[in-house]
Amino acid sequence: DVVLTQSPLSLPVTLGQPASISCRSSQSLVSIDGNTYLYWFQQRPGQSPRRLIYEVSNRDSGVPDRFSGSGSGTDFTLKISRVEAEDVGVYYCMQGTHWPPWTFGQGTKVEIQ
Amino acid sequence: EVQLVESGGGVVQPGGSLRLSCAVSGFSFRNDWMYWVRQAPGEGLVLVSHINGDGTGTTYADSVKGRFTISRDNAKNTLFLQMNSLRAEDTAVYYCVRSLYSWGQGTLVTVSS
Repeated sequence: DVVLTQSPLSLPVTLGQPASISCRSSQSLVSIDGNTYLYWFQQRPGQSPRRLIYEVSNRDSGVPDRFSGSGSGTDFTLKISRVEAEDVGVYYCMQGTHWPPWTFGQGTKVEIQ
Repeated sequence: EVQLVESGGGVVQPGGSLRLSCAVSGFSFRNDWMYWVRQAPGEGLVLVSHINGDGTGTTYADSVKGRFTISRDNAKNTLFLQMNSLRAEDTAVYYCVRSLYSWGQGTLVTVSS
């Protein structure tokens, strides 16, 4: 199974400052079709997860442009350009290239310091 | 508007059974792959099972293989998860997910004597 390792696991941030979360895969996530099926999800406290990014860098509808995804192969990053209070929550990366199983990272908790 | 509404959760004794349902609306259900994802209390996300659009293809996490069965009724726009031989470690919120994008609100399953 593909193992996704996120870092850091806890991320204290200052409002208005940037934040970055890393997701490293135990093997390349480039699919035989040439696409890379790496997703990012946000889970605010008490809510269901919400997808932010698909295929590494594509923002889902309604996602603010302060969120961006990048990376390739085995190394991926989610960046928040300027953290807002509503960004507090846990962020998960997930891979859909080598399935089954689809696998998630452990999650990164973002909180305001 | 896309809606996914889970039901069927509750408290069950170890070794017991539950059947979860997910009623969907607002999209063409028969075209989409559907998933069940669970989240144990205070823990991360785990994809438990998936089913393709016509119900002919399914996968399961190793932890539930042989005990859980995913199915769908495309005429009734409903996804199911039959859970047998339940264990304490199956205690979690179970989410119904469309195409790794839209999530329901979740239903809590508690396995306890």
